[in-house]
Amino acid sequence: DTGVSQNPRHKITKRGQNVTFRCDPISEHNRLYWYRQTLGQGPEFLTYFQNEAQLEKSRLLSDRFSAERPKGSFSTLEIQRTEQGDSAMYLCASSFKVNEQFFGPGTRLTVL
Amino acid sequence: AQKVTQAQTEISVVEKEDVTLDCVYETRDTTYYLFWYKQPPSGELVFLIRRNSFDEQNEISGRYSWNFQKSTSSFNFTITASQVVDSAVYFCALSEWKLTFGTGTRLTIIP
Repeated sequence: DTGVSQNPRHKITKRGQNVTFRCDPISEHNRLYWYRQTLGQGPEFLTYFQNEAQLEKSRLLSDRFSAERPKGSFSTLEIQRTEQGDSAMYLCASSFKVNEQFFGPGTRLTVL
Repeated sequence: AQKVTQAQTEISVVEKEDVTLDCVYETRDTTYYLFWYKQPPSGELVFLIRRNSFDEQNEISGRYSWNFQKSTSSFNFTITASQVVDSAVYFCALSEWKLTFGTGTRLTIIP
């Protein structure tokens, strides 16, 4: 399968714990995006990488959130001191061209 | 700021009926792209179509068709002869370089 992959697919954690998600983009895609989707809403943009550089961060990305893309390959999204409001689907997308994003299956986070 | 409005929260139709999903967008950009995605219960976003702002031709792909009208800032999606497998949440999205999504329309096809 050469699509975007995300791990884990599901994560249940207790409030206050740290969690980390991984996204593996399509090979050779230099652009990588993170989105968050809460129940009943459309996905909302969180952050964008071009190669290893994080070029844009949404105001939705509080100080408890950090994203990295070492060496411009896979990316990780970490949430520290999780809160119940962080419960959502976290979607990763990658692209080679602008305006052509391919989405992964998402990681569903539940914070108890 | 960019904005996408999908006023229809939920639609239910009987199988084989035609159904149109509405999308209205706002942008100050002269160059932009519009998208439709399907999200089945599994959660993955499935790309359906991309249209750039300079191409106002309607498009048909099998049972799916799209009507782009720049004058009314609308990009509507019609499913002809609906099937149960069409049941999903459908999102319209607008892009400069990041995607701005609408809130989605939940479509239920009743057998």
